[in-house]
Amino acid sequence: GAVVSQHPSWVICKSGTSVKIECRSLDFQATTMFWYRQFPKQSLMLMATSNEGSKATYEQGVEKDKFLINHASLTLSTLTVTSAHPEDSSFYICSARDMGLAATEQYFGPGTRLTVT
Amino acid sequence: KNQVEQSPQSLIILEGKNCTLQCNYTVSPFSNLRWYKQDTGRGPVSLTIMTFSENTKSNGRYTATLDADTKQSSLHITASQLSDSASYICVVNDFGNEKLTFGTGTRLTIIP
Repeated sequence: GAVVSQHPSWVICKSGTSVKIECRSLDFQATTMFWYRQFPKQSLMLMATSNEGSKATYEQGVEKDKFLINHASLTLSTLTVTSAHPEDSSFYICSARDMGLAATEQYFGPGTRLTVT
Repeated sequence: KNQVEQSPQSLIILEGKNCTLQCNYTVSPFSNLRWYKQDTGRGPVSLTIMTFSENTKSNGRYTATLDADTKQSSLHITASQLSDSASYICVVNDFGNEKLTFGTGTRLTIIP
């Protein structure tokens, strides 16, 4: 149980295009999902907190108009990188909090490798 | 500022040997501490979660300890296997906040 999936697992796009990454909780409902970014040899950095049915909360320094987050259902959140640039190339990881468990439990997805050329 | 520091930054050991990874934190108020294993190119996978009242927790060959007074934790790996090669991340959650504070990780390499 407690599986979080991401799609795609990797994507290559041209500079200036937009890319959408999906995060799904497969066997539980998640009112809250989190989006992280990880650069090589660095730890995960929280980008935004996504709440079902409401606007996402972005961390300081993260452009909300560039990284669009939509949490349309209790099992799906999407991150769209708009007008991608090479510096957006990174490993994007989502996590989801299980509504049925204590607030402390989060499950991570397998990550999406984005390369912008 | 909440911080989590891990040591060593990297570690290489022979297959079958034991090792211990360290984690110091300044997160306050403390809620729980987690150890994750992250394989290259994959998302983190939870190994253990400990609350304030727990000072040790095991998961197979992984044993985590927690000293909430000194704000230190360790992860001990017994009889290491090649598949243990990964980054091990210490993560601390402060009380009442869903946000996690991540350590920079220890890169463990097991050699045959």
